[in-house]
Amino acid sequence: AQSVTQPDIHITVSEGASLELRCNYSYGATPYLFWYVQSPGQGLQLLLKYFSGDTLVQGIKGFEAEFKRSQSSFNLRKPSVHWSDAAEYFCAVGPVSGGSYIPTFGRGTSLIVHP
Amino acid sequence: KAGVTQTPRYLIKTRGQQVTLSCSPISGHRSVSWYQQTPGQGLQFLFEYFSETQRNKGNFPGRFSGRQFSNSRSEMNVSTLELGDSALYLCASSDPTGSMHTIYFGEGSWLTVV
Repeated sequence: AQSVTQPDIHITVSEGASLELRCNYSYGATPYLFWYVQSPGQGLQLLLKYFSGDTLVQGIKGFEAEFKRSQSSFNLRKPSVHWSDAAEYFCAVGPVSGGSYIPTFGRGTSLIVHP
Repeated sequence: KAGVTQTPRYLIKTRGQQVTLSCSPISGHRSVSWYQQTPGQGLQFLFEYFSETQRNKGNFPGRFSGRQFSNSRSEMNVSTLELGDSALYLCASSDPTGSMHTIYFGEGSWLTVV
């Protein structure tokens, strides 16, 4: 069965510092990988996705993620964090089977940004 | 293109009552899925509908049900509400026939059971 682990429940960074959020997955084939962000009281917004090809994926809001098959990881990075990046971040992995896409989500990492 | 729209955004119900939540998917999307989000359990998949048929179901009791209409709009219903049903209910839509299998979420419906 597929699974996603986000090892860090909370991460605190200073504004302007770099950020890396970790995501490890377990999946039997080539995964479809996603990062979503959820601001307080809101739904989930897609940041970026990886299906195939270049393992470094660019997303919105200056985020990027790198797929490393050998490490079963899909870590999210941002070179300089802004206070508005404070939110909950979810990594997800999903198959495409018979047209259905039911992703498995990690438990999320809460990002706290200090001024 | 309008996003996924969920109504109502906030509601308070009493134990034992039932509730119906509505979701309008992105235009052209025929797959609608529902998730429950709580601090303790995280995001949990409820069910998915495609072309008015339930295609996948998560591990929730029969009190949780849903349906999809011919225009792809979906509703979910929870009967005999329990305190533990208090959660953010998220609807997501996708176009599984396309090449980019991505789901897009609505802002959710906050349900409080008292």
